Parts: sequence; structure tokens; C-alpha cells
Amino acid sequence: KAGVTQTPRYLIKTRGQQVTLSCSPISGHRSVSWYQQTPGQGLQFLFEYFSETQRNKGNFPGRFSGRQFSNSRSEMNVSTLELGDSALYLCASATQDRLAQETQYFGPGTRLLVL
Amino acid sequence: QKEVEQDPGPLSVPEGAIVSLNCTYSNSAFQYFMWYRQYSRKGPELLMYTYSSGNKEDGRFTAQVDKSSKYISLFIRDSQPSDSATYLCAMSADKLIFGAGTRLAVHP
Repeated sequence: KAGVTQTPRYLIKTRGQQVTLSCSPISGHRSVSWYQQTPGQGLQFLFEYFSETQRNKGNFPGRFSGRQFSNSRSEMNVSTLELGDSALYLCASATQDRLAQETQYFGPGTRLLVL
Repeated sequence: QKEVEQDPGPLSVPEGAIVSLNCTYSNSAFQYFMWYRQYSRKGPELLMYTYSSGNKEDGRFTAQVDKSSKYISLFIRDSQPSDSATYLCAMSADKLIFGAGTRLAVHP
């Protein structure tokens, strides 16, 4: 069974631009979560989607948004990029809902560099 | 104060050593406790998970949870160079909260 895939793997943008990242979960998984990983803050929860609905949200500004499609694929958008948005963005999928947090499977991440 | 505290290391041990990795937490609502391993330039990989207090063993790995002390541990027996990675503890009530990660190096 294929794992979680994320595209693109690497991205360079300039301040003020916007970016869209994509995540395809493991087949059959309906929950998709997004995380930001930086050396200073570690892994931080962005949001979780289940059956096209946002179920939970972390403490990030409104510039960070996401959505989930009927096939469970998810996209994350960051508008008006700032230098501090440079990070590894990780997507994780799970079989059910947040009660099954222990079975999250992570993708390889998208490394975003903002210049 | 962070909800989850984890010493970032780095931790360097010789091959064959027993490794002890630890996290403390402050939120008594946490119910699920997990350990992830992350190799360089890869996403985290789930190693172990436990629900509530107790021990869980899987091969060379043992996870311990002490909810009364708000303390979790991961022990690695007979450590191998391939165990060199960053180990992240994580815990959840309604969302996953990660520790900072401990960088482990096992040298031959």
C-alpha cells in the first residue's frame, strides 16, 4: 500500500507570495492533519480534516488555511508569506478520526524556503 | 512553559548500549502517548504508542508511561547505528502535541 505523498517536495518563494501544498493520504484514510516543523519550534499542529470538514485547528494565523476534497486529498495554503514561514510542512493521515491519533502516518514533507 | 518537555540532546552512545529517552508533560488530559522516529530529511515514523499508564514492549523498544508523575520514557536495548535519528515524543487529547525531539547518535 502506498504511503502518504506530498507535493512538491521542495519549494522556494519570496515574501508576500502565496503557496499551495498538496497531500495524498494512504488509500482508505479519511483523516488528514498538517504540521509545521522548524528547528526552533519543533513540530506544531496546524489543522486536521476529516470527511472534508476541519475538525481541529492549531494556533496559527489566518494566513494558513486548508481544505480536503471528497477523495480525502488535502491542500494547505499559506498567503502573504513571511520569512518565518520557512519550514518543513508535514502531512499525516489516519484511518478514522482524532480518537485514533495513535495511528497517524506521516508523509516526507514539503520543505518551504521563503526568501 | 511548554505542554511537553523533551531534552533535545544530542545523545551519543556506543553500539549495544541501552538508551533512555524521556519526556515530561503538564496537561493531565493527555490520554495517548506516542514515540516517533525521524531520520534526516524524512517524515516522522510511528514507533510505539500506549494508552494510559503502563509498559509496552516491541522488540528492542520499551515504552513506559507514568501518568501520576506525568512522565514517559522510551528505552532502546542493544542500540544499533541504524537507530541514529531524532526521537519525538507525542501525546494527545484532541490533537497531537510533540516534544522538541532528542537527537540520538549510536556510534560503532
